[in-house]
Amino acid sequence: RKEVEQDPGPFNVPEGATVAFNCTYSNSASQSFFWYRQDCRKEPKLLMSVYSSGNEDGRFTAQLNRASQYISLLIRDSKLSDSATYLCVVEPSRAGSYQLTFGKGTKLSVIP
Amino acid sequence: GAVVSQHPSWVICKSGTSVKIECRSLDFQATTMFWYRQFPKQSLMLMATSNEGSKATYEQGVEKDKFLINHASLTLSTLTVTSAHPEDSSFYICSARDAGISSYNEQFFGPGTRLTVL
Repeated sequence: RKEVEQDPGPFNVPEGATVAFNCTYSNSASQSFFWYRQDCRKEPKLLMSVYSSGNEDGRFTAQLNRASQYISLLIRDSKLSDSATYLCVVEPSRAGSYQLTFGKGTKLSVIP
Repeated sequence: GAVVSQHPSWVICKSGTSVKIECRSLDFQATTMFWYRQFPKQSLMLMATSNEGSKATYEQGVEKDKFLINHASLTLSTLTVTSAHPEDSSFYICSARDAGISSYNEQFFGPGTRLTVL
């Protein structure tokens, strides 16, 4: 089983749609979880951290289910500018390592 | 916000030559920097962890003699791809962690270096 698995997509959605991305991770001892956004041929940029209680930032909502080792990202009212690849990222439990493990990403295309 | 730069942003070289890529934290000190490689339509793969003043830690399968890492200061890490071959063509990205925020684990990424080996 891959360390971090994501639905590769692509997801093609119309403007204004709601879209959800899923991610599973294999290391049950993982401590920190993130969603990053990567535009074509650019570096990844942190979108939001994911907390056990769930968290929301504007149109974006992230959820974490530790029991199922599952992370989700919900985007409401999609904008054209949301088109990008969304990376699920996990920090393993190795104390002090601060290393990140990236999923392959889910590509989103928001269509006018 | 924290800014990380990389130089060069792209490079084309002949097979057998060596290429040096610089990663700089511009407005913060980074005791730890990370080097990633990303092939087309693949995820970022961690190559090595660069620690200021000590030897880098390489991930399994990454040749330390081929990918030389030097982290001589708190703001600069370099990756040298020695005797580059076409299969080394990839997008190399560095990231840095702010040493002044010990409890916060966000990494700041450089803009990446696209290496093409002919």
